[in-house]
Amino acid sequence: SQQGEEDPQALSIQEGENATMNCSYKTSINNLQWYRQNSGRGLVHLILIRSNEREKHSGRLRVTLDTSKKSSSLLITASRAADTASYFCATGPPSNDYKLSFGAGTTVTVRA
Amino acid sequence: DVKVTQSSRYLVKRTGEKVFLECVQDMDHENMFWYRQDPGLGLRLIYFSYDVKMKEKGDIPEGYSVSREKKERFSLILESASTNQTSMYLCASSGTDTNYGYTFGSGTRLTVV
Repeated sequence: SQQGEEDPQALSIQEGENATMNCSYKTSINNLQWYRQNSGRGLVHLILIRSNEREKHSGRLRVTLDTSKKSSSLLITASRAADTASYFCATGPPSNDYKLSFGAGTTVTVRA
Repeated sequence: DVKVTQSSRYLVKRTGEKVFLECVQDMDHENMFWYRQDPGLGLRLIYFSYDVKMKEKGDIPEGYSVSREKKERFSLILESASTNQTSMYLCASSGTDTNYGYTFGSGTRLTVV
């Protein structure tokens, strides 16, 4: 079953601006991951945050996790045209965190 | 460069045909997965395998079966293709270290006519 839900469904920003998207989930998790998908291609793993972590950074990416609200956010700073893609959150349950459930994604368009 | 390779990017099949989608990974990963992706529905898990000859049903296994005879290869079989199986099919693999997440193939866009 679909565990995560991303919000907004779509986002359009100017190059250089920050992009923020959110993910909410329903049940306990062991970790939460973010993936990117360029049009018509497979997904690429971006970053993983564990349930005992609150914030994580990787380059221009910043992920936060609030387990009390069952939500996460992904911030992309100083966006570039190449960041145009769909972004998905995925959650792994405590019982077997290698089995991920994906949300429907946020489509981000970065305008030049 | 580590890789998950799906045999076809685009496939067109007729209703009722038996369809094989092949996926090969070169990372010695234990876990392999088949998802389908439809607009507005995200990725839905069809089947997964955590070891050779082992398989488990995902959320939408009806109309599909899988085979994993070798560690590197995980095949998805549509026993009798139907138009509602027209979709993007994504194969992924992962190792025991979950910090690295999944590695996905490029996907197979299947159209059943």
